[in-house]
Order: sequence, then C-alpha cells, then structure tokens
Amino acid sequence: DIQMTQSPPSLSASLGDKVTITCQASQNINKYIAWYQQKPGKAPRLLIRYTSTLESGTPSRFSGSGSGRDYSFSISNVESEDIASYYCLQYDNLPNTFGAGTKLELK
Amino acid sequence: AVQLVESGGGLVQPKESLKISCAASGFTFSNAAMYWVRQAPGKGLEWVARIRTKPNNYATYYADSVKGRFTISRDDSKSMVYLQMDNLKTEDTAMYYCTAGRGALDYWGQGVMVTVSS
Repeated sequence: DIQMTQSPPSLSASLGDKVTITCQASQNINKYIAWYQQKPGKAPRLLIRYTSTLESGTPSRFSGSGSGRDYSFSISNVESEDIASYYCLQYDNLPNTFGAGTKLELK
Repeated sequence: AVQLVESGGGLVQPKESLKISCAASGFTFSNAAMYWVRQAPGKGLEWVARIRTKPNNYATYYADSVKGRFTISRDDSKSMVYLQMDNLKTEDTAMYYCTAGRGALDYWGQGVMVTVSS
C-alpha cells in the first residue's frame, strides 16, 4: 500500500496568512492526489483533484502543486471559514490512502 | 443535485454483524464506482472498500483491515450500495461515509455511525 506522509499535523495561522501543507507519497503517484476540507461534524469536501485542478466552488485562494512523490496544498489569505482539517488522498493505486490530516487553527 | 444518504448504523456487540446502506440520487448510479470510507472518533479518514460497475464485473477491493469480514455490494436497479460487516471488532467503531467519484472521491454522504462495544 502507498503511504501518504502529511505534515504538519496542525497549523496555527492568522487571518490573511498563507499556509502550506505537504504530502509525500511512498512512491510515485503520477499526480493523482486530491485535497479535502473537513469541518467538525461534517463530511469531507473535495477541493482539488489531480494535484492542481480546483473543483467548482473552490475559492481561488486554494491551490495545489507537485509531482512524483511530493505534493503541496496552499491557502493564501486565510479566512475564518477556512478553519478546518485538511486531508490529502492518493488515488493512483488501490487501496486509495489518505494522509493523517492537518488541523488548521486561528492564532 | 447529487445526494448520498446512509442508513442502518447503530450499536452492536463485538463479533456481531451489521449491514449499512446508501441511497444515491442525482447522477447515473450504474456508471459510477462506489466507495465506503470511515473515520473513527477524533481520528483521520480511512478508505474501506470499492465496487466498480457492471461493465467492470462489479469488481471489489478492500482495505486489509476489513478484508474477509466486510462485503461491499450494489443494486443498480435501486441506486443502492451496501456494506455488510461481519465479525465486527471494537476498532471498527467509526462514522462510515458512502462516496462516489471519478477517480477522486467527489461526492460524500453525511455518514452513519457504527459503534461496536460490549
């Protein structure tokens, strides 16, 4: 199984900051990585697919990049509604695997 | 709009069985691979199982943690997907989400809670 090492586990940011989360796969995943946002008590919401393709409705302050084994997800100009947990998912190989998650909090 | 609505969760004892269901609408169900993902209380997301479509022989795939105990199935005539869970363990306690997608997991239900405890 492909392991997804996501960091950091938690992040503290001020409104307007730029934050970055990384995921490293245990092998090349050919850009098949997605990023999800989950708010407490809610189901995850798909924000980005295939490394950098924003889903309809995803604000442009969210972005993704990477290739091979190394990927990143950024939020520029953090807003209060962005306070949530974020997960990466590799869907290149079965079983699909998630990163352990990053909890974004307000400083 | 796409809707996935899970049902059938509850409290069961270890080694017992439970079958949870997911009703899908708003998309061509028969053309979509379907998945179950779970989340233990206060923990991260865990991919559980996938079932493909009829042209792909309804092929299934399971996480090692549930292989041999869980069975995913679907009824295209009813736009339903199921997860039969046998020999449940306390570590199976989680919110179970039904999901659908085109590679990535695009759509998610609200989840159904399964608690395994004596």
